[in-house]
Amino acid sequence: DQQVKQNSPSLSVQEGRISILNCDYTNSMFDYFLWYKKYPAEGPTFLISISSIKDKNEDGRFTVFLNKSAKHLSLHIVPSQPGDSAVYFCAASSNAGGTSYGKLTFGQGTILTVHP
Amino acid sequence: ETGVTQSPTHLIKTRGQQVTLRCSSQSGHNTVSWYQQALGQGPQFIFQYYREEENGRGNFPPRFSGLQFPNYSSELNVNALELDDSALYLCASSLKEGWNEKLFFGSGTQLSVL
Repeated sequence: DQQVKQNSPSLSVQEGRISILNCDYTNSMFDYFLWYKKYPAEGPTFLISISSIKDKNEDGRFTVFLNKSAKHLSLHIVPSQPGDSAVYFCAASSNAGGTSYGKLTFGQGTILTVHP
Repeated sequence: ETGVTQSPTHLIKTRGQQVTLRCSSQSGHNTVSWYQQALGQGPQFIFQYYREEENGRGNFPPRFSGLQFPNYSSELNVNALELDDSALYLCASSLKEGWNEKLFFGSGTQLSVL
């Protein structure tokens, strides 16, 4: 049962343009969402997060949007740079009862390639 | 650089053997989680340790076990290895405070079971 899905295995974007990575979830108990970036031979690196009480969170070139009714979130990268080329994972957690610390459910990942 | 270190980086075992993977948490972090990442998949939660006790477990059999030490380092032990255990094993540390926390991952141990 894939509770977090990233339906696009890969995305190719020109440098300077916008990259939009999408993620869908099925578990309505999820209330905290994160995006991680992973380079080859490295562990995932935290990028940006959003709690379910918000619908948008920005950090520099990165913005995450959350649509709770659609159970959908997206990561926007503007402008995209070649150094952004990596695998991007969407992850979610549920803090109901305060027992879910550290228990993230990840999507399958999307390979982003930014061409110069 | 997250400050989370894992050893070894690569390991080859044969089916039926036992393996121990090690993790040193980032300084000041009191929680460690272990994840398994199969090829082409996202990381899957194995379990988490907080103050040396297991604090939640994913859908993994009992032959996956762990330890957390007073210095917050940790071990993942897998007994009776199976071919499907071949994966990247990731350790992540965090500081348990407040409502949510961010995990800081190590670079992982690539385990191959032949």
